[in-house]
Amino acid sequence: DVKVTQSSRYLVKRTGEKVFLECVQDMDHENMFWYRQDPGLGLRLIYFSYDVKMKEKGDIPEGYSVSREKKERFSLILESASTNQTSMYLCASSFGGARVAYNEQFFGPGTRLTVL
Amino acid sequence: KQEVTQIPAALSVPEGENLVLNCSFTDSAIYNLQWFRQDPGKGLTSLLLIQSSQREQTSGRLNASLDKSSGRSTLYIAASQPGDSATYLCAVPLYSGGGADGLTFGKGTHLIIQP
Repeated sequence: DVKVTQSSRYLVKRTGEKVFLECVQDMDHENMFWYRQDPGLGLRLIYFSYDVKMKEKGDIPEGYSVSREKKERFSLILESASTNQTSMYLCASSFGGARVAYNEQFFGPGTRLTVL
Repeated sequence: KQEVTQIPAALSVPEGENLVLNCSFTDSAIYNLQWFRQDPGKGLTSLLLIQSSQREQTSGRLNASLDKSSGRSTLYIAASQPGDSATYLCAVPLYSGGGADGLTFGKGTHLIIQP
């Protein structure tokens, strides 16, 4: 079974702190994604990566950056956390390349981040 | 820009009923559609992925259909059980191109199965 793990289930940080959210997948997937989920707004794509050291902006990249130094690991970075970044953060992964039609995305358990 | 709508937003039915959840999308140039389940406070569990060349996909008591030309998908749940209570989300690739695309999601259908 595909397994996507996230470093923390719950996280509380203070405004202005630098925050790292880590995601690891064990299926050798090329693609990895970060979403946030908010009541009334649903899930929205922040960033994604299709290869090591490659990244693409999603719908709402402002205030975030990402890092992918190894194929299995994708990090989301909040350079200076703000209260409006309080949210549920979900990581996902999928195969890429020529198998695009089969790109089933698998999600991690989520990290609920509270910024005070 | 792709937009996804799910109807109804909430549904409560007695155990044992068959039910249908609806999903519509605005841009029919998709290469797949995925249905997910989410339990409160948890991540998403993938239920079914339908490729654009397929009309339907089945897994156990779940059957998902896809009509690209009309921009619609339905998720049919047979003989519902209390354990089916969850939020069901459908999603399609965010952009019409290939490669690594994120997903755009509907707001979900919150399903309650009464024992």
